[in-house]
Amino acid sequence: QKEVEQDPGPLSVPEGAIVSLNCTYSNSAFQYFMWYRQYSRKGPELLMYTYSSGNKEDGRFTAQVDKSSKYISLFIRDSQPSDSATYLCAMSGWTGNQFYFGTGTSLTVIP
Amino acid sequence: GAVVSQHPSRVICKSGTSVKIECRSLDFQATTMFWYRQFPKKSLMLMATSNEGSKATYEQGVEKDKFLINHASLTLSTLTVTSAHPEDSSFYICSAPSVSGANVLTFGAGSRLTVL
Repeated sequence: QKEVEQDPGPLSVPEGAIVSLNCTYSNSAFQYFMWYRQYSRKGPELLMYTYSSGNKEDGRFTAQVDKSSKYISLFIRDSQPSDSATYLCAMSGWTGNQFYFGTGTSLTVIP
Repeated sequence: GAVVSQHPSRVICKSGTSVKIECRSLDFQATTMFWYRQFPKKSLMLMATSNEGSKATYEQGVEKDKFLINHASLTLSTLTVTSAHPEDSSFYICSAPSVSGANVLTFGAGSRLTVL
């Protein structure tokens, strides 16, 4: 079983839709949960991160962590064509140099 | 927010030559940096962990003599692809833990290497 599982998509939605992106994980030691957006031929851009359980909101983006279910989500409200990208989830422990990535979900927002 | 600067963004070289890619943390110190390789439409593959003042730690299957990593200061790590061959053509990305008190990574913009 992989440490982090992420549906690769592709996911296609109309402009203005609410997008839900998800990852599951198996290691209960993970403490930090990150979401990255990666445009084609660019490095991943950190969108937001959360520590332990709970929700975090930043503009149109909301990250949720459910440690009991080992499940994290990123919601994008009022999606825009500029949100079209690959979204990567990543996780790490309290300290150390181990980071685990999902395979990425490809999102297309259609005008 | 924290910025990781990576150069060059694109490089084309002839087979057999060496190419150096630089990764700089602009507004924070990075005792550790990570180098990844990414194939088209694939996830990130960790190549090595770069540690300031000591030898890099390479992942299994990564040739340390081909991919030379130097972490000369708290803000600079370099990856040199030696005697490059077409199969080394790829997208290389560096990253560093960037948030004080949190184990969170910031990535560079990546370097696309094409070996002719």
